[in-house]
Amino acid sequence: NAGVTQTPKFQVLKTGQSMTLQCAQDMNHNSMYWYRQDPGMGLRLIYYSASEGTTDKGEVPNGYNVSRLNKREFSLRLESAAPSQTSVYFCASSDGKSPVAFFGQGTRLTVV
Amino acid sequence: RKEVEQDPGPFNVPEGATVAFNCTYSNSASQSFFWYRQDCRKEPKLLMSVYSSGNEDGRFTAQLNRASQYISLLIRDSKLSDSATYLCVVRGNDYKLSFGAGTTVTVRA
Repeated sequence: NAGVTQTPKFQVLKTGQSMTLQCAQDMNHNSMYWYRQDPGMGLRLIYYSASEGTTDKGEVPNGYNVSRLNKREFSLRLESAAPSQTSVYFCASSDGKSPVAFFGQGTRLTVV
Repeated sequence: RKEVEQDPGPFNVPEGATVAFNCTYSNSASQSFFWYRQDCRKEPKLLMSVYSSGNEDGRFTAQLNRASQYISLLIRDSKLSDSATYLCVVRGNDYKLSFGAGTTVTVRA
């Protein structure tokens, strides 16, 4: 059982480059989330999708876009990467009935 | 004001000690509460849910005080393997999960 799978695990970008972080879950969960984690800041919500077809901004959405491609997949796009977006990114999913969240292993992104 | 606030610690305790820490949340409409554990450079994992009546899971006890809007976690008989960062998580009725910044616990031999 794969759970939540994120790709890539590591990435280095130059300022201004774009990239998409992929996330897929095989637990038939309705809700999916993207977080970033920085030292001393905890996990901050970037965007979330309560159900297929809906997306909402979280605490720190600026500089990011998301797509809920289908029930399984929720991607995060950086259109023009900035050094301030250097962080560890986590995707998570949860079921509305049991709101426990399951996380992917994280993507360590460095923007130089 | 942050939605969820935690004492960052670190709490440095000897094996066998009891350690306890709290978390406060700002949204009185919050519906579900959890403690997650995060090991260094790993993804967070659910430690336990927190119920209104309080609940235990082995050496771990969680309490919820809705009137004062805080959650607590107590670890009894600490083990070296309990060393981690403990994240307080609150869920509102909009399905959004809000995390605290974490409380670091280090158990020493």
